[in-house]
Order: sequence, then C-alpha cells, then structure tokens
Amino acid sequence: KQEVTQIPAALSVPEGENLVLNCSFTDSAIYNLQWFRQDPGKGLTSLLLIQSSQREQTSGRLNASLDKSSGRSTLYIAASQPGDSATYLCALRPSYDKVIFGPGTSLSVIP
Amino acid sequence: DGGITQSPKYLFRKEGQNVTLSCEQNLNHDAMYWYRQDPGQGLRLIYYSQIVNDFQKGDIAEGYSVSREKKESFPLTVTSAQKNPTAFYLCASSILYGTGGTDTQYFGPGTRLTVL
Repeated sequence: KQEVTQIPAALSVPEGENLVLNCSFTDSAIYNLQWFRQDPGKGLTSLLLIQSSQREQTSGRLNASLDKSSGRSTLYIAASQPGDSATYLCALRPSYDKVIFGPGTSLSVIP
Repeated sequence: DGGITQSPKYLFRKEGQNVTLSCEQNLNHDAMYWYRQDPGQGLRLIYYSQIVNDFQKGDIAEGYSVSREKKESFPLTVTSAQKNPTAFYLCASSILYGTGGTDTQYFGPGTRLTVL
C-alpha cells in the first residue's frame, strides 16, 4: 500500500535562508506528484506538479525534484521570506484516479 | 473568473441533523473530489466523481453522500450517521486523463463544519 510521509512536521527558519522540504513514498509507480501550499483556514494552492517522466520542475524561487527510485521528492525554497510561512503538502497520484496526501510540513519564516 | 467556490464558509450542525455542503466549479473539469482535513493530518478522500451521474467512494465515505447531476456541481451531504463530522472540508476538481499526467487538482476555499 502506497504511503506518503513528510518530515519534519514543523520547521522554523530565519528569513533569507534556503530550505528543503521532504516528501517520501513507498511505491515508485506513480502518475504524478504535486506540491501544495495551504495558509491557515484556507484551501490548497498548487505550487508545482511533476509528471512521472520528469525529474524536476521550477517556478520562481521554488524547485521540486522527483526521484522515484529512492521514493523521494523535495521542495527547495530559495531565499525564504516571511510570506512563505504556511503548511506545505505533497500529494502523490499512484494512478489518475487516486490521490494520497502527506500530512504536511508547517513552515515558519522568522523576520 | 474561473475557479471553485464552496459555501458556506462556516457551518454549524446540531447532532442528528443532515447538512449539505456546496461545491461549484466553472473550469469545465470532468473530475471533482471531496476531502476531509483534520488538525495535523493530511487530506483524506471522501468521494470523487469522474463524470456526471457517477461517483466513487474514497477512503472514508461512511456517513457521507454525494450527487453529481451537473458537471459544475458536486454537493456533499454529511449525514447523522457520521459520528465525528467536525472538520475542514475541501472540494477539488481536475481535468481527466491529463496528457502525460498533467492533471493538476484545483481546490476551493473550504467549509469548516462544527457539530454543536
């Protein structure tokens, strides 16, 4: 059974620091993997989607990588800002009709 | 302006009552989903629908029901059979069979349900 974990559960960093959020999964057979941001009490905002055939995607200060052989995806945030404070969730789709969410990493960027 | 709307934003239910959460999308997406989010946990799938008049149970469908009479609408009813319904409910939609796995999920703003 596919499982998705995210470590750490919470992270606090000073402004300007580069950071990496981790998402691990147990089965390498995936359809795609998506990273989301969630602000408190709000819905999810899509950040990046990596197709099964891709190794990474970039958008501005964000870079997401996918290594199916090791069962890992990382979200790299460069030059972190207080506005980046939110919960970050990864969502793995083992097939087009299934989605498994990780529990999320709560990020706090301190000014 | 395309997107997904959910209403109401906050909902209070007395024990024994059924309540219905609304989800509407104007993105022309075939697939729609309902998730439940509890504090400190990831999202869990309640129901999903890939086409009008068809829907499938997700991981935690007990105590919930849905309908899909129109492509744009996917309401969720929380019945009195759901023993612990207090949670944050999120609706999402996506295209189906995105080329090469490009079918991004788009989420609504959520409904917070509290049982009194």
